[in-house]
Amino acid sequence: DVKVTQSSRYLVKRTGEKVFLECVQDMDHENMFWYRQDPGLGLRLIYFSYDVKMKEKGDIPEGYSVSREKKERFSLILESASTNQTSMYLCASSLIQGSNQPQHFGDGTRLSIL
Amino acid sequence: AQKITQTQPGMFVQEKEAVTLDCTYDTSDPSYGLFWYKQPSSGEMIFLIYQGSYDQQNATEGRYSLNFQKARKSANLVISASQLGDSAMYFCAMREGGYGQNFVFGPGTRLSVLP
Repeated sequence: DVKVTQSSRYLVKRTGEKVFLECVQDMDHENMFWYRQDPGLGLRLIYFSYDVKMKEKGDIPEGYSVSREKKERFSLILESASTNQTSMYLCASSLIQGSNQPQHFGDGTRLSIL
Repeated sequence: AQKITQTQPGMFVQEKEAVTLDCTYDTSDPSYGLFWYKQPSSGEMIFLIYQGSYDQQNATEGRYSLNFQKARKSANLVISASQLGDSAMYFCAMREGGYGQNFVFGPGTRLSVLP
């Protein structure tokens, strides 16, 4: 079974802090994704990566950056956390090609910025 | 642009009854896949079932089945014999063929199973 592991289920940080959310997958997937999920807004793509050191902006990249130094690990960085970044963050991975390939998700991180 | 529509923000079903969650999609790619995910209140997204655009038969996985009507561009999820543990958000998603980020999710339907 595919395993996508997010480093924290719950995280509380203060405004202005630099925040790191880590995600690791064990299935050698090329694609990795970061989403945020807010009530009434569904899943919104922040960034995705299709290879090591490669990244593409999603729908809402402002205020975020990402890092992919190894194939299995994709990090989301909040450069200077703000209260409007309080949200549920979901990491996912998938094979790079194939319309029959699903995304596999981690358990999510509920991030609160105080 | 590809798009997923789920017209039911919330649904109620009595325990042990069947329920259908609607999903319509829009794409011009002849090769695509349709997926359903379940998200319980704990937050994780659980992959339930897949249907390919070229599949001749409707997909089934245990109590889940997919009513795929290609001409109508609909891919409704049917849950038979509902259980209390089925209470969750359900998302329909589509992936087109090819590389890159070509995955799109619908807004979701919240299902509540009543005892």
